[in-house]
Amino acid sequence: QVHLQQSGPGLVKPSQTLSLTCAISGDSVSSNSAVWNWIRQSPSRGLEWLGRTYYRSKWYNDYAPSVKSRITINPDTSKNQFTLQLNSVTPEDTAVYYCARGPPFSWGQGTLVTVSS
Amino acid sequence: DIVMTQSPDSLAVSLGERATINCKSSQSVLYSSNNKNYIAWYQQKPGQPPKLLIYWASSRESGVPDRFSGSGSGTDFTLTISTLQAEDVAVYYCQQYHSTAFTFGPGTKVDIK
Repeated sequence: QVHLQQSGPGLVKPSQTLSLTCAISGDSVSSNSAVWNWIRQSPSRGLEWLGRTYYRSKWYNDYAPSVKSRITINPDTSKNQFTLQLNSVTPEDTAVYYCARGPPFSWGQGTLVTVSS
Repeated sequence: DIVMTQSPDSLAVSLGERATINCKSSQSVLYSSNNKNYIAWYQQKPGQPPKLLIYWASSRESGVPDRFSGSGSGTDFTLTISTLQAEDVAVYYCQQYHSTAFTFGPGTKVDIK
């Protein structure tokens, strides 16, 4: 049973970079069958898939068009975790951010990130 | 992107009665090569992440009570709670994983009448 533990700041200033980490236990970020995702949830946008990283003999990434110019998801094999970076944030990026394996998704606990000065 | 819609937005059902939630995708999520519908259903309670209930449209996740069932194919899907329990009060979401970017329905709130 995979367990995902999220960490990172809950407050980010406008125009700065949102950074979150998802630590994995019970699976490997380098697994040839798993896919690692970031998803966010807000009242205005609902549940929104942001992107994924996965390993199939080499590393791949896919990103949602809505954030493609601002997002980076990276694996960290030394710590068995993966990270989210979202650049140039605005108040519209305020949301609960989840890491997840899948689909179908197994979820981390969620992190409320507020973008405010 | 595949757009997911759900109906109703909310419903109130008496304890022990049936609750039915509908989900529609803007295009088919059935892969003919494996005859699988790439639909999942999740339950979310306040302050918690979504919890996987159903995958492949009708396969129940391990540990999920058998009062939860999923059905449908192509573009039209249903989640049924056969006998509503107090602990089933939650918001329920459908999600397609046929095409990246994965998309979710807007949710259906289930309450006790």
